[in-house]
Amino acid sequence: SQTIHQWPATLVQPVGSPLSLECTVEGTSNPNLYWYRQAAGRGLQLLFYSIGIDQISSEVPQNLSASRPQDRQFILSSKKLLLSDSGFYLCAWSEGDGYTEAFFGQGTRLTVV
Amino acid sequence: AQTVTQSQPEMSVQEAETVTLSCTYDTSESDYYLFWYKQPPSRQMILVIRQEAYKQQNATENRFSVNFQKAAKSFSLKISDSQLGDAAMYFCAYEGGRDDKIIFGKGTRLHILP
Repeated sequence: SQTIHQWPATLVQPVGSPLSLECTVEGTSNPNLYWYRQAAGRGLQLLFYSIGIDQISSEVPQNLSASRPQDRQFILSSKKLLLSDSGFYLCAWSEGDGYTEAFFGQGTRLTVV
Repeated sequence: AQTVTQSQPEMSVQEAETVTLSCTYDTSESDYYLFWYKQPPSRQMILVIRQEAYKQQNATENRFSVNFQKAAKSFSLKISDSQLGDAAMYFCAYEGGRDDKIIFGKGTRLHILP
């Protein structure tokens, strides 16, 4: 069966420090991968999505970036965190061959201090 | 661009009663999927129900059912016989288009009153 792993679960980082959140999927190949951020009052905001290696689309211009070094690995990064980057980050995957629901990781609570 | 709108930030319902959560969306696509997700206090996202746009029949999963009005671009969720465990944030989501991206509404927080 397919599983998704997202880590770390909790992170406290100072302003200006770098960020790296990792997400891996097991049990499937060529998944669609997504990064969302959940902030109070704004629901789930789509940050990045990828339908394949080297195919990453950005939805919101900001100081975050995403990479997909392997088929089932998705990384969210920042060179310098801002206070406004605090939030709950969710990684998700869906089947790459058609419309299916998204399956979510456990999430990362990021606090920038 | 596709959008998903949930106009009810919060709702309350008495235990055992029925409640309907609203969702509207905007798209120029003819083929797409719609979903309702539940996010309990643990913050784990749980799929509640899904609806394929090409199907006229409304989806049903036990106490959960949808009212899908394609022409009106409306996709409401009805919860019957509400239970305390139904208390959560509910998100409406859309998936469609060539890029398969999934976008969510802002959510509706549902309170169940004992």
